[in-house]
Amino acid sequence: GAGVSQSPSNKVTEKGKDVELRCDPISGHTALYWYRQSLGQGLEFLIYFQGNSAPDKSGLPSDRFSAERTGGSVSTLTIQRTQQEDSAVYLCASSLTTGLNTEAFFGQGTRLTVV
Amino acid sequence: AQSVTQLDSQVPVFEEAPVELRCNYSSSVSVYLFWYVQYPNQGLQLLLKYLSGSTLVKGINGFEAEFNKSQTSFHLRKPSVHISDTAEYFCAVSETSGTYKYIFGTGTRLKVLA
Repeated sequence: GAGVSQSPSNKVTEKGKDVELRCDPISGHTALYWYRQSLGQGLEFLIYFQGNSAPDKSGLPSDRFSAERTGGSVSTLTIQRTQQEDSAVYLCASSLTTGLNTEAFFGQGTRLTVV
Repeated sequence: AQSVTQLDSQVPVFEEAPVELRCNYSSSVSVYLFWYVQYPNQGLQLLLKYLSGSTLVKGINGFEAEFNKSQTSFHLRKPSVHISDTAEYFCAVSETSGTYKYIFGTGTRLKVLA
């Protein structure tokens, strides 16, 4: 596609339920990032995939959070047993990582509300 | 590891006045530097970037930033702001090799007043 696509755009879930957030990066982009944006908290790094390397999971806030990237393309962020503090906008970005082509392109985000 | 500090969480400024949004970074390796802008209810888009060469970089909408290696800063400036510049601005760094992981600051909310 022309840009990074995220789905759903909005998700309301009950506390304790599991949710899956999807990201379709720009075709050919080797790097994929997930960030969380909470009110007044800026962009919190969650996880980073780069090609076939092991993902950098250093930003995942708890073991309830996990992500995978299938076939080097689509990524799914899963939050198990959601809590109210998980409410935020989850942003996905992708980029090339060749030479100076490192600009990250962002999707519109998924707004997650845990009630 | 890298870190980014944006000391000003909010900056109010009158229309047509100049503005500077501050960004300082910390890194043990060489980095690329970026400013992203997020307009209300929109996604993030790249404003400008410093990769190498001239330390003064120009971006979209009349913004510019200057890389100062000795002060580890990358402040964003605009000589005359418009109402339409009201947005949140994020400074970011990424390594020049290896992981290329982006680290963002907490953002500065620019509010342009009429």
